[in-house]
Amino acid sequence: DAGVTQSPTHLIKTRGQQVTLRCSPISGHKSVSWYQQVLGQGPQFIFQYYEKEERGRGNFPDRFSARQFPNYSSELNVNALLLGDSALYLCASSQQGSGQPQHFGDGTRLSIL
Amino acid sequence: EDQVTQSPEALRLQEGESSSLNCSYTVSGLRGLFWYRQDPGKGPEFLFTLYSAGEEKEKERLKATLTKKESFLHITAPKPEDSATYLCAVQAGNYQLIWGAGTKLIIKP
Repeated sequence: DAGVTQSPTHLIKTRGQQVTLRCSPISGHKSVSWYQQVLGQGPQFIFQYYEKEERGRGNFPDRFSARQFPNYSSELNVNALLLGDSALYLCASSQQGSGQPQHFGDGTRLSIL
Repeated sequence: EDQVTQSPEALRLQEGESSSLNCSYTVSGLRGLFWYRQDPGKGPEFLFTLYSAGEEKEKERLKATLTKKESFLHITAPKPEDSATYLCAVQAGNYQLIWGAGTKLIIKP
C-alpha cells in the first residue's frame, strides 16, 4: 500500500512569495496533520483536519492556512513568506486522529532566499 | 503547560552496547505517547504507541515502557542500522502531538 505522499519534495522561494504544499494520505485515513520541522528540533504542530473540518491549530500566524478535500488529500498554504519559514514541512495521516499513531510522508523541504 | 523533554540529546554507542533513551512529559489527559525513528532527509517512522502506565511494547531490539511521568526506549545489542534520531511525542486532550527535540543515536561498528 502507498504511504503518505507529499509534493513537491523541494522548493525554493523568495521572501514575500506564496507557496502551496500538497499531501495525499494513506488510503482509508480520514485525518491529516501538518507539521513544521526545523533542523535539530522536533516537529511543531500547524493544523489537523478530520473529515474536511479543522480540528486543531497550532501557534502559527494567519499567513498559514490549510484545507482538506473530499478525497481526504490536503493542501498547506503559506503567504508572505519570511526567511524563518525555511523548514521541512511534514504531513501525517491517521484513521481518526485522536490516540492513534500518525504516519508521515518524507516532507517538503522549503528554502526561502 | 504541556511539555516533552528528551535526554540525552545525543548518544554514541559501540555495536552491541545496550542503553536507554528517556522521554519525560507533563501533560493533562494523556491520550497516547508515541515513539518515532527519523533518518536524515526522511519523515518520522512510527515505532510504538503507549497508552497507560505500566504498558510495554517490543519490536526487534527496541522496547518501550511508560510510567506516569516518563517513557524509556531501551535498545538491546544495537547494530549500526539502528543509528537515527529517536523522537517522542504525546497527545493530550486536544488533538495535536507535542514533540520532544529527539535523541540522536549513533552506533559505531
